[in-house]
Amino acid sequence: ILNVEQSPQSLHVQEGDSTNFTCSFPSSNFYALHWYRWETAKSPEALFVMTLNGDEKKKGRISATLNTKEGYSYLYIKGSQPEDSATYLCAFRRNSGNTPLVFGKGTRLSVIA
Amino acid sequence: GAVVSQHPSRVICKSGTSVKIECRSLDFQATTMFWYRQFPKKSLMLMATSNEGSKATYEQGVEKDKFLINHASLTLSTLTVTSAHPEDSSFYICSAIPTLWGQPYEQYFGPGTRLTVT
Repeated sequence: ILNVEQSPQSLHVQEGDSTNFTCSFPSSNFYALHWYRWETAKSPEALFVMTLNGDEKKKGRISATLNTKEGYSYLYIKGSQPEDSATYLCAFRRNSGNTPLVFGKGTRLSVIA
Repeated sequence: GAVVSQHPSRVICKSGTSVKIECRSLDFQATTMFWYRQFPKKSLMLMATSNEGSKATYEQGVEKDKFLINHASLTLSTLTVTSAHPEDSSFYICSAIPTLWGQPYEQYFGPGTRLTVT
């Protein structure tokens, strides 16, 4: 059974604060690690796909790192804004590009103005 | 970016009836689509992998006669919940992988369907 764990489950931060979440996944048969941003009533939006150990990706104020040897990824948000409020999902893909994603439960972020 | 639509977004049906949910890739072709289900406070759980032109592959514990999947074209997969019962009430979401060469494959999601069985 593949387990993808995300922590914390939920987070409340003040506008302007920086924050980070963790995703842990099996380190064997690793293929790719995906991060999604999911707002209520919308489709999950792809943020990053990372495949190589040591990968670092950045999109605006959001960045992510990947450690495939120890099986974890961090997502960072710098200077949080209310529009960053969403659930952030981490998903692990093993073996190949056509295998299904295995998801964590997500981290629910609320940014208070 | 790639768009996946899902219809309907919400459906309420009576126990014993069947409900069909459509998943369409709007601006790309998808040989492979996935159907997920989300229970409250749980992660998205894979139900089945839908391959165009062939039978779907179901995850352990998912009844294939209960959840009929048809992937008849490269842009459409349907999930039919047959003889629905209240315990089938859930959030169903589909995703699609573009038929591309190269790695890694991105996976695009629909907005989901909230099914309530009364």
